[in-house]
Amino acid sequence: RKEVEQDPGPFNVPEGATVAFNCTYSNSASQSFFWYRQDCRKEPKLLMSVYSSGNEDGRFTAQLNRASQYISLLIRDSKLSDSATYLCVVNEANMYSGGGADGLTFGKGTHLIIQP
Amino acid sequence: NAGVTQTPKFRVLKTGQSMTLLCAQDMNHEYMYWYRQDPGMGLRLIHYSVGEGTTAKGEVPDGYNVSRLKKQNFLLGLESAAPSQTSVYFCASKAMGGPGQPQHFGDGTRLSIL
Repeated sequence: RKEVEQDPGPFNVPEGATVAFNCTYSNSASQSFFWYRQDCRKEPKLLMSVYSSGNEDGRFTAQLNRASQYISLLIRDSKLSDSATYLCVVNEANMYSGGGADGLTFGKGTHLIIQP
Repeated sequence: NAGVTQTPKFRVLKTGQSMTLLCAQDMNHEYMYWYRQDPGMGLRLIHYSVGEGTTAKGEVPDGYNVSRLKKQNFLLGLESAAPSQTSVYFCASKAMGGPGQPQHFGDGTRLSIL
């Protein structure tokens, strides 16, 4: 089974701090990469896609290193509302020979707690 | 905006009973998926569909069947429920357009098998 590995945490950080998560993936043929956010007992929601050149969305910055098969997420000026589990997700197109169904492989998630 | 809707939200079954979970999406997405999420594990793909009338097995298909008779609906069936199928089930859908398209999830069905 293809693997996506994350530090499960929990990460306890004070409000306003900067926090970074890392993720590694085993399948070098992986094509697309995402960070999803999952609140307790809720569905995963897309936080951001991750592009090879790196990308930023407000306080969130994602980086991809294909050579090292490594993905990162940086959260600046953390808010209480950032408390959640962050899922590293890798798209391995044709993993199930499904003609483009694009199965996703999920990491187990990193639990973040922002302390007031 | 409804997005992806799952019914029921909660269900308790006895071992050996059968049931069907319904997923409906109103985004005209071609691809639909069923996942299960267990404590300490990432989401795992059960079955998926690339279009109306087509289904295929994912990573953990045993004990489940699916049907996609209409583009907007994807049904997950448990013919004879087992305690190992106690889990949270998520449905997702995705538009065509390559691997860069994200999946959109329903809010889950919590299923307990006694």
